[in-house]
Amino acid sequence: GNSVTQMEGPVTLSEEAFLTINCTYTATGYPSLFWYVQYPGEGLQLLLKATKADDKGSNKGFEATYRKETTSFHLEKGSVQVSDSAVYFCALSRDSNYQLIWGAGTKLIIKP
Amino acid sequence: NAGVTQTPKFQVLKTGQSMTLQCAQDMNHEYMSWYRQDPGMGLRLIHYSVGAGITDQGEVPNGYNVSRSTTEDFPLRLLSAAPSQTSVYFCASSYQGTIYFGEGSWLTVV
Repeated sequence: GNSVTQMEGPVTLSEEAFLTINCTYTATGYPSLFWYVQYPGEGLQLLLKATKADDKGSNKGFEATYRKETTSFHLEKGSVQVSDSAVYFCALSRDSNYQLIWGAGTKLIIKP
Repeated sequence: NAGVTQTPKFQVLKTGQSMTLQCAQDMNHEYMSWYRQDPGMGLRLIHYSVGAGITDQGEVPNGYNVSRSTTEDFPLRLLSAAPSQTSVYFCASSYQGTIYFGEGSWLTVV
């Protein structure tokens, strides 16, 4: 079946460090892939998405490339800020109505 | 821009009580859904609806009912609350590949 696996957290980095949060998936066909972010005490916000192989989603300095050959959608940012501290969720959808399959989430802590 | 509005934001229930989590969206989206979020498990789909009058079960529907009498509203009912239903609940609507989430409802069953 379909599934999403994310690296376990928490991930703790210093401000201005390079960030990678790994995400791999299992799915048949060509799913759409998403990264959502959840700031403390808030709901989920779409961070970026990619709908086909080799697409790169980007937003707020974050990037992720849809790699079909490695079934991955790793999230990266060149220089993190304290305000990036949040929980990040990777998800996939194979449904036109976008029912999502979610990873467990990765908590990111950025220290000044 | 209201988007997806959930109420209440926080609720404490006693075991066996019933309650309804309200969800409303003002974007005229056909597709709406309810998720629960538990530590270390990501989000799991409870029920979803593809339009007024149509609902279906998701991954974890037991103990919950939904109805969709209008496009705007999609309430989630807990029939007889159990401690296992302590969770954070998110309502969402979607359109053309984008999902919009409400701010969440924190529910504790004691």
